Amino acid sequence: DAGITQSPRYKITETGRQVTLMCHQTWSHSYMFWYRQDLGHGLRLIYYSAAADITDKGEVPDGYVVSRSKTENFPLTLESATRSQTSVYFCASSAGRHTEAFFGQGTRLTVV
Amino acid sequence: AQSVTQLDSQVPVFEEAPVELRCNYSSSVSVYLFWYVQYPNQGLQLLLKYLSGSTLVKGINGFEAEFNKSQTSFHLRKPSVHISDTAEYFCAVSAGKAGGFKTIFGAGTRLFVKA
Repeated sequence: DAGITQSPRYKITETGRQVTLMCHQTWSHSYMFWYRQDLGHGLRLIYYSAAADITDKGEVPDGYVVSRSKTENFPLTLESATRSQTSVYFCASSAGRHTEAFFGQGTRLTVV
Repeated sequence: AQSVTQLDSQVPVFEEAPVELRCNYSSSVSVYLFWYVQYPNQGLQLLLKYLSGSTLVKGINGFEAEFNKSQTSFHLRKPSVHISDTAEYFCAVSAGKAGGFKTIFGAGTRLFVKA
């Protein structure tokens, strides 16, 4: 199916565990983004990527790691999950620098 | 660095009434502006965008927004809302190369349309 998909949709993990959230897009968009959504904060940019093998930090990168070995995939890893990382995570992609961003359905992560 | 402020966290309004959702931004360089809508348990989708040209931008579902450079605002309006417009609305700004091409979002405004 064409589009942008995130997996898993829901995840519960324990404090200290490593967790990877997956993001896959079928449009070959150059730009990909990871946001977290928290009540009162809206969406905050964690990391973004302008192309394969090019990534950069956003507003709240601490505790997260990304990679982009292929254009279509942009996984987000929480190296050692903390309760403050409980959130809804959205992946997005866009074709150009100022074009529309297309969002996935989100991953609801709970760290207990 | 750019930032976005959505002045209202919640806006209740009656069906068929007009609505304005306010957005102010700050940036030291030229910006590109967006409004997105998020329905419950879904991702965001684009309502409209301002890249250049006419300052009045029309989007989907009857929404429009006006870019005001002097007031650094990009308020979203709809002359007559429907129950189905109940959702969360996000204003976003991208500041181009100087801003690292990052898109920054506001905290969101929850629009609640009452019958």
